[in-house]
Amino acid sequence: SYVLTQAPSVSVAPGQTARITCGGNNIGSKGVHWYQQRPGQAPLLVICYNSDRPSGIPERFSGSNSGNTATLTISRVEAGDDADYYCQVWDSSSDWVFGGGTKLTVL
Amino acid sequence: EVHLVESGGGLVQPGGSLRLSCAASGFTFSNYGVTWVRQAPGKGLEWLSYITYNSDTRYYADSVRGRFTISRDNAKNSLYLQMNSLRDEDTAVYYCARFDCSGGSCYGPIDYWGQGTLVTVSS
Repeated sequence: SYVLTQAPSVSVAPGQTARITCGGNNIGSKGVHWYQQRPGQAPLLVICYNSDRPSGIPERFSGSNSGNTATLTISRVEAGDDADYYCQVWDSSSDWVFGGGTKLTVL
Repeated sequence: EVHLVESGGGLVQPGGSLRLSCAASGFTFSNYGVTWVRQAPGKGLEWLSYITYNSDTRYYADSVRGRFTISRDNAKNSLYLQMNSLRDEDTAVYYCARFDCSGGSCYGPIDYWGQGTLVTVSS
């Protein structure tokens, strides 16, 4: 089965840059999607196909994917970015897979 | 505007059954693959099941295969999840969601989510 590995937590001060990683075997060959989930809310798609931003998502959110690591980058972090972030891919051996999630804390 | 509204959650005893429903609106439901994702209390997201736009293919996670059945009624713009032989570990919020694709082996993202319905399995 295909496994996606995320660090449990990341902390960053307002105005700084947050980088949230998602590790997987040869993940660079896959399309990675990222979701933001604020407490008590449903997930929200923030990056699709590695680096595309859906309509309405601020340009501060960007993504990259290469080798065994995909990265979600949030620039100029704001208090409202405080949330859980999940990566997700489709894999032929496991179908749809989510990472374990990273809790972003804005200090 | 796309809306997905789940219903049918509640308290059920271990070994019992429950049927979740999801009412879709704001888009042509019959053009999209749809899915169920759950989240246990304090835990991460877990994909459960996916059904193609025309119901010809259904996929299940190992954790629910043989116990859960996904179905859809395109005439009613509705998605369903029949859950049998429920276990304590099935306690979670269950989300209905739309994939940005129609067929099987979907590489696309989940672009819309419902607000979820809570299922509690407990004696």
